[in-house]
Amino acid sequence: DTGVSQDPRHKITKRGQNVTFRCDPISEHNRLYWYRQTLGQGPEFLTYFQNEAQLEKSRLLSDRFSAERPKGSFSTLEIQRTEQGDSAMYLCASRRGRGNSPLHFGNGTRLTVT
Amino acid sequence: AQSVTQLDSQVPVFEEAPVELRCNYSSSVSVYLFWYVQYPNQGLQLLLKYLSGSTLVKGINGFEAEFNKSQTSFHLRKPSVHISDTAEYFCAVNNQGGKLIFGQGTELSVKP
Repeated sequence: DTGVSQDPRHKITKRGQNVTFRCDPISEHNRLYWYRQTLGQGPEFLTYFQNEAQLEKSRLLSDRFSAERPKGSFSTLEIQRTEQGDSAMYLCASRRGRGNSPLHFGNGTRLTVT
Repeated sequence: AQSVTQLDSQVPVFEEAPVELRCNYSSSVSVYLFWYVQYPNQGLQLLLKYLSGSTLVKGINGFEAEFNKSQTSFHLRKPSVHISDTAEYFCAVNNQGGKLIFGQGTELSVKP
């Protein structure tokens, strides 16, 4: 169990640029989740995958956000035309099975939009 | 829909004192409940979970929590805290639908 890995750890970008984050879940975990966390707040659910299928997207997720999980392994989260309000910590988590198994979180990618 | 309310945003406490971090949830169906801890610039680490069975759940680092269905609460407790327990604590609820809903967090600050 090597843990959930996220890359990069930090990203600074200018408003209007596109950014892409990567998440490598724990192997054999079929479910992968993306959350966003702003300072002083709890993580907010964005989207999740079961294998390669994206099963749910939050209403918080605007059209500028897209996530993929090709082949049901790693996942990418892309933000197009970034805005200052996108500055946050983006957390990835994975789990095996369904609701009674805990989520295992990565250390997050901190995005700063200037 | 499920929701979680953490009643205290900040809890200051002296080292070796007991602490309780409060969490209330709302759900119309059976729930699974979790407490996570987050240290600065890190992801969340599982402290403990309630799935079913005994209402008193023991976790890592000496923490425990009690599930109270009638009061829809899942409060976290530790009889004697250490400086190293200073962190942000999150309560979360998950129904069988698949996603975890988090509370706003409680910042525990342990002072010497």
